[in-house]
Amino acid sequence: QKEVEQNSGPLSVPEGAIASLNCTYSDRGSQSFFWYRQYSGKSPELIMFIYSNGDKEDGRFTAQLNNASQYVSLLIRDSQPSDSATYLCAVNSNSGYALNFGKGTSLLVTP
Amino acid sequence: EPEVTQTPSHQVTQMGQEVILRCVPISNHLYFYWYRQILGQKVEFLVSFYNNEISEKSEIFDDQFSVERPDGSNFTLKIRSTKLEDSAMYFCATSGTGTIHEQYFGPGTRLTVT
Repeated sequence: QKEVEQNSGPLSVPEGAIASLNCTYSDRGSQSFFWYRQYSGKSPELIMFIYSNGDKEDGRFTAQLNNASQYVSLLIRDSQPSDSATYLCAVNSNSGYALNFGKGTSLLVTP
Repeated sequence: EPEVTQTPSHQVTQMGQEVILRCVPISNHLYFYWYRQILGQKVEFLVSFYNNEISEKSEIFDDQFSVERPDGSNFTLKIRSTKLEDSAMYFCATSGTGTIHEQYFGPGTRLTVT
């Protein structure tokens, strides 16, 4: 069974701080990694994807991938109350494009 | 900005009935997917569709389910003989033909089976 694991949280950070969200995956064949944001009752919204080892930055967001440790993370700088949501890590393998999702980490940014 | 659209937003049906959920993909996207999310649980892959064929499906996608693209625009998920446990949010997602195939999700259809 290919697993994608996330701490369910809630992760609480003060406004302006850095939020760090983590995800581990079991399938060594995984090739692409995605972070989605999901507000309550809404659909997943793509934030970032990463497919090579290292860091990828996009605005306030940085995704980090460590293939050796099978670990991917998302950093949110200057966190805002509007960032409060559940963050979903999703992984696909070299066998297709289906995404395998983690259960998500709930983030709460307090003013 | 192009979006995936889904109809209806909410469908209530009785156990044993058939439902069809509809999705209009982003116009230049060629890969289509259905996912579901039972309340409080993770998003689960059901099926992917490309070039008028199923390309992948999960164990959840059994004979009760079918997909088609009947008119070149809509992409549909049919659920036959619905069960109580089919109650969930059903999301359509689409991706283009780039290397990564990042997927964009529609707003979802909430299916309630009574």
